[in-house]
Amino acid sequence: GENVEQHPSTLSVQEGDSAVIKCTYSDSASNYFPWYKQELGKRPQLIIDIRSNVGEKKDQRIAVTLNKTAKHFSLHITETQPEDSAVYFCAASKNEKLTFGTGTRLTIIP
Amino acid sequence: DTGVSQNPRHKITKRGQNVTFRCDPISEHNRLYWYRQTLGQGPEFLTYFQNEAQLEKSRLLSDRFSAERPKGSFSTLEIQRTEQGDSAMYLCASSPSTGTGNTIYFGEGSWLTVV
Repeated sequence: GENVEQHPSTLSVQEGDSAVIKCTYSDSASNYFPWYKQELGKRPQLIIDIRSNVGEKKDQRIAVTLNKTAKHFSLHITETQPEDSAVYFCAASKNEKLTFGTGTRLTIIP
Repeated sequence: DTGVSQNPRHKITKRGQNVTFRCDPISEHNRLYWYRQTLGQGPEFLTYFQNEAQLEKSRLLSDRFSAERPKGSFSTLEIQRTEQGDSAMYLCASSPSTGTGNTIYFGEGSWLTVV
């Protein structure tokens, strides 16, 4: 089955700096790659997603890139703010089934 | 958009008891999913429905677990003879059924603690 690896597991950045989280996947048939933000005790919330026919997508301070050949995708958050502190999960989807990475705990240092 | 609704939000049960969780998806969504999340881990896929048909089940879903979606609307997840290892958050999610790569929206989850 699909295997998704995510790095780093923890990340601390100064407020205003950028944060980058990277994921790799194993199944070349995966075609949908969402990113979720999860605050303590709450549900995963979709923040951005990308489909396999697109290489990059941006939404304000958040961007995602996808390299299908290398089977990796990355989340970029610019101008980080304290409210960006949370756990971020990447996921890869094949046949409507999401396989999640192990998460990155992002801490924004004021 | 009222979102995906789950209840109960929290359940504490003694080992060996049965528990049932309910999920009400977003009203126009035909696909419904159950995931399980333990502390420090990402959600793990359990099962998935297209309308009332259960199309896929993970091997994580032992025979103590059963999920139903009888009329293609709400779904229930029942765990029989609970074990301490069942303690987790059970997440329901839904998506529309237009092709592949649909956005999946999660509910707030149902926390299960087995004591």
